[in-house]
Amino acid sequence: QKEVEQNSGPLSVPEGAIASLNCTYSDRGSQSFFWYRQYSGKSPELIMFIYSNGDKEDGRFTAQLNKASQYVSLLIRDSQPSDSATYLCAVNILGRGYSSASKIIFGSGTRLSIRP
Amino acid sequence: GAVVSQHPSWVICKSGTSVKIECRSLDFQATTMFWYRQFPKQSLMLMATSNEGSKATYEQGVEKDKFLINHASLTLSTLTVTSAHPEDSSFYICSATDRAAPDLWPQHFGDGTRLSIL
Repeated sequence: QKEVEQNSGPLSVPEGAIASLNCTYSDRGSQSFFWYRQYSGKSPELIMFIYSNGDKEDGRFTAQLNKASQYVSLLIRDSQPSDSATYLCAVNILGRGYSSASKIIFGSGTRLSIRP
Repeated sequence: GAVVSQHPSWVICKSGTSVKIECRSLDFQATTMFWYRQFPKQSLMLMATSNEGSKATYEQGVEKDKFLINHASLTLSTLTVTSAHPEDSSFYICSATDRAAPDLWPQHFGDGTRLSIL
């Protein structure tokens, strides 16, 4: 089982609609969860981060976390063509043992396409 | 916001050349820096975790002697690809976490280095 799983897409959503992106993770001890947006040929850009169960809203974006189900999602309201990108879910994986540090693991990303 | 500067942004060189990539945190002290590699249409793969003043922790399958990482200060980490070959051609991206907020964990990314080995 992959540590962080996402549907690769592409996910096609009409302009103005809500885009829903999902992610599951395997490490129950994970405490920090991130959504990044990556345009082709560019570095990832942080969109949202969430630590507590429930919803966190920031403008058109809402992150949702359910630790019991090991599930995190990102909702994009009023989708715009400029939202078309690959969205990467990232999870803090705790270190195992004395010499192993915590690290962030990325999912494979979901390609989102907003059609006018 | 936190800024991470990475350069060069792109490199084209001959097979067998060693290439050094720099990653600097410009307005914060970075306890930890990460090095990723991304092949076309694939996700970021963590290569190694770099802590200031100590040896880097490499991920399984990443050759320590080929990808040399140095993190000599709280604002600078370097990745040297030694004796690069065409299969090393990729997009290399560094990121850093802010020492002032170690529990928050968001990583700030550099703009990446596109490496092409002929």
